[in-house]
Amino acid sequence: DTAVSQTPKYLVTQMGNDKSIKCEQNLGHDTMYWYKQDSKKFLKIMFSYNNKELIINETVPNRFSPKSPDKAHLNLHINSLELGDSAVYFCASSHDRMGSGLYGYTFGSGTRLTVV
Amino acid sequence: EDQVTQSPEALRLQEGESSSLNCSYTVSGLRGLFWYRQDPGKGPEFLFTLYSAGEEKEKERLKATLTKKESFLHITAPKPEDSATYLCAARSGSARQLTFGSGTQLTVLP
Repeated sequence: DTAVSQTPKYLVTQMGNDKSIKCEQNLGHDTMYWYKQDSKKFLKIMFSYNNKELIINETVPNRFSPKSPDKAHLNLHINSLELGDSAVYFCASSHDRMGSGLYGYTFGSGTRLTVV
Repeated sequence: EDQVTQSPEALRLQEGESSSLNCSYTVSGLRGLFWYRQDPGKGPEFLFTLYSAGEEKEKERLKATLTKKESFLHITAPKPEDSATYLCAARSGSARQLTFGSGTQLTVLP
């Protein structure tokens, strides 16, 4: 049983398009995250939701909009895609209430986004 | 601003050749230091959390230690299946998220 699943695994799209990445966790965790991993392997936090409430919103373009319909799902919608958005996007979850990740995150397998 | 620096960027070992990976951190009021393993095409897999200087944790051939400025991941008698990128992350008292280093890519040759 996959703990944190995200779809699609690969996404190739043209500049200017709008796309979404979906994430679901079946661990019963309270908090979910979106991280971006660039070509140098740095993982940078983008957003975090705790029980459907946005608790972290780092400085990312407002073309990126997260949506959490319930605490098991956190989707990422990206408008007007740009070349610089190409990266691997990871969804993660943790079970500590304040989103601190003190008990460790469980990551999905990532979505490799390529904008051409 | 919290910072996490890992060294070396890449490390090649022969099977059985023990070594250590370094993670230096600058955070105010460390709340936790984390180690993850990442295989190609996969998400990071949680290994350890260390909370205070002097703490050590072990898992199979891996042992993580923590000082007030650094953490080390010691790999004893590694096997080819230990090849992966090892990521270190820290959480400060004022932050709600983890700050990650760029990782050490470990290759263990048979």
